[in-house]
Amino acid sequence: AQSVTQLGSHVSVSEGALVLLRCNYSSSVPPYLFWYVQYPNQGLQLLLKYTSAATLVKGINGFEAEFKKSETSFHLTKPSAHMSDAAEYFCAVSPGGNLIFGKGTKLSVKP
Amino acid sequence: DTAVSQTPKYLVTQMGNDKSIKCEQNLGHDTMYWYKQDSKKFLKIMFSYNNKELIINETVPNRFSPKSPDKAHLNLHINSLELGDSAVYFCASSQDVGGGNEQFFGPGTRLTVL
Repeated sequence: AQSVTQLGSHVSVSEGALVLLRCNYSSSVPPYLFWYVQYPNQGLQLLLKYTSAATLVKGINGFEAEFKKSETSFHLTKPSAHMSDAAEYFCAVSPGGNLIFGKGTKLSVKP
Repeated sequence: DTAVSQTPKYLVTQMGNDKSIKCEQNLGHDTMYWYKQDSKKFLKIMFSYNNKELIINETVPNRFSPKSPDKAHLNLHINSLELGDSAVYFCASSQDVGGGNEQFFGPGTRLTVL
């Protein structure tokens, strides 16, 4: 069965600092991987997705993620955090027909 | 124009009651989903419909019954509500059941059972 593990339930960075949110996946076949963001009291919005076209995936709002098969990882990064990035971030894998989510990482951004 | 809409946004009710949550998508998608987000923010699939046909039914109590009158709508009816049903319920849709498809989420319905 496919699954994802997000390391760190809470990450705090200073405004302007690098953002790194970690996600490791478990899959016996090449996976489809996603990062979604959830702002307070809102639904989920897609940041980016990996579908085997390119290992470095660029998303919205300056985020990107790199698929590393050897490390079974799909970490999310942003070079410079902004206050508006404060939200809950979810990594997910899709075996087809639904999304299997990690437990989420809450990102706090300090001024 | 809202892509995936849900009503109501908030639902407060007593234990034992029956309630429904409605979902509509105007994206022309074939596949719709219900997810439950618990108090720890954990999201889990409940149901998935493709062209009005049920394709995923996770281990959900049979008090929960989804209904898809057409492929643009997927409603969730809950009988005999329990305290543990309190959560945020999200509807989502995607082009089809393919694994690489983006899912578009509604704003959520916060259900509180007293």
